[in-house]
Amino acid sequence: SAVISQKPSRDICQRGTSLTIQCQVDSQVTMMFWYRQQPGQSLTLIATANQGSEATYESGFVIDKFPISRPNLTFSTLTVSNMSPEDSSIYLCSARSPNYGYTFGSGTRLTVV
Amino acid sequence: DAKTTQPTSMDCAEGRAANLPCNHSTISGNEYVYWYRQIHSQGPQYIIHGLKNNETNEMASLIITEDRKSSTLILPHATLRDTAVYYCIVRSNTGNQFYFGTGTSLTVIP
Repeated sequence: SAVISQKPSRDICQRGTSLTIQCQVDSQVTMMFWYRQQPGQSLTLIATANQGSEATYESGFVIDKFPISRPNLTFSTLTVSNMSPEDSSIYLCSARSPNYGYTFGSGTRLTVV
Repeated sequence: DAKTTQPTSMDCAEGRAANLPCNHSTISGNEYVYWYRQIHSQGPQYIIHGLKNNETNEMASLIITEDRKSSTLILPHATLRDTAVYYCIVRSNTGNQFYFGTGTSLTVIP
């Protein structure tokens, strides 16, 4: 399957600051997605990262809080802006390719203090 | 996409078959059933998927009822490494997004 690398794997951030998470796929993929997993919960889809255009956000998520970029077919970033302790979660990148279906990264564990 | 309902948790003895049920009573004709699992501190891992026929691969078997309103994931010989949260997801072949339900936390007991 496609291999997804996320950076950083974990971070501890001060409230009010922003963190950008990077997602790199080792092969070209058609779709890329970002998920949030709050402690003890399932995965919630944040948005679909569209190449060369604005991301498509799910209900409850907005661009000002979670700006997303996807400059090419294999790379995307998610920024968590103006963080508060409620943003402490695992953030996961996912990609869909014709050959490998849906693959997930190992996630970025974010703690906001 | 159709919603799924799964038991919150299950236990299984090591070496025995683990049978994980999923209800998807509102599934429509072009929607596939996918199973993923998430081992602690890792991203979800693909297990198997199917449309209406039963499927088997090296990891598991997927049994889909004739009316397609429910399915069962079977791990034939559960090991301690199969302890994970198992997610049943329904997705249409025209849709792009995956929406996760609450999943079943499977604990394999020695």
